[in-house]
Amino acid sequence: AAGVIQSPRHLIKEKRETATLKCYPIPRHDTVYWYQQGPGQDPQFLISFYEKMQSDKGSIPDRFSAQQFSDYHSELNMSSLELGDSALYFCASSLTGTEETQYFGPGTRLLVL
Amino acid sequence: RKEVEQDPGPFNVPEGATVAFNCTYSNSASQSFFWYRQDCRKEPKLLMSVYSSGNEDGRFTAQLNRASQYISLLIRDSKLSDSATYLCVVTVLLTGNQFYFGTGTSLTVIP
Repeated sequence: AAGVIQSPRHLIKEKRETATLKCYPIPRHDTVYWYQQGPGQDPQFLISFYEKMQSDKGSIPDRFSAQQFSDYHSELNMSSLELGDSALYFCASSLTGTEETQYFGPGTRLLVL
Repeated sequence: RKEVEQDPGPFNVPEGATVAFNCTYSNSASQSFFWYRQDCRKEPKLLMSVYSSGNEDGRFTAQLNRASQYISLLIRDSKLSDSATYLCVVTVLLTGNQFYFGTGTSLTVIP
């Protein structure tokens, strides 16, 4: 079965640079979530979108923004990168009306030097 | 205070053992409950949803106690492949469907 796709899988950036992470949800899923997982930590919710509209906002820094496009894929844009942004970034998707289990993509590992 | 608390372990058990993990949540408005497993540097994968009536999937049994606000996971006849971090997850009413994760409990099954 098709799963959540994330790209790139690995990304190395320098401080103050920008990065764009992409997420392609499971077909027919209408909600996308972004999570950040630092080393040795549990995933922290950043932001979610339902039907291309922002639905919920968590601990996303003001330097980050995200959107969901008409084909339901989502992008997380990160600017003025800091060393502390180094983490695994997961995208998850779910289908409203089911028990809303979230299915996670393989993640993008971002390293800021 | 975190929404979800777990004993981080580590739990080191021999093959064939039975092991139990507990998780407590602080918000009485918590509405959905899950156990996910996460292998090192990989994505969380759904192990099972947790219902008030309790549910079982093969060697895995999950229980929810709403009155005491805790969730448990029992693994019987542990296999080497069960070695992973087990994440307790809840959602909270009126905060959308965002997941609140526990810190995870590390399990190593030893031959």
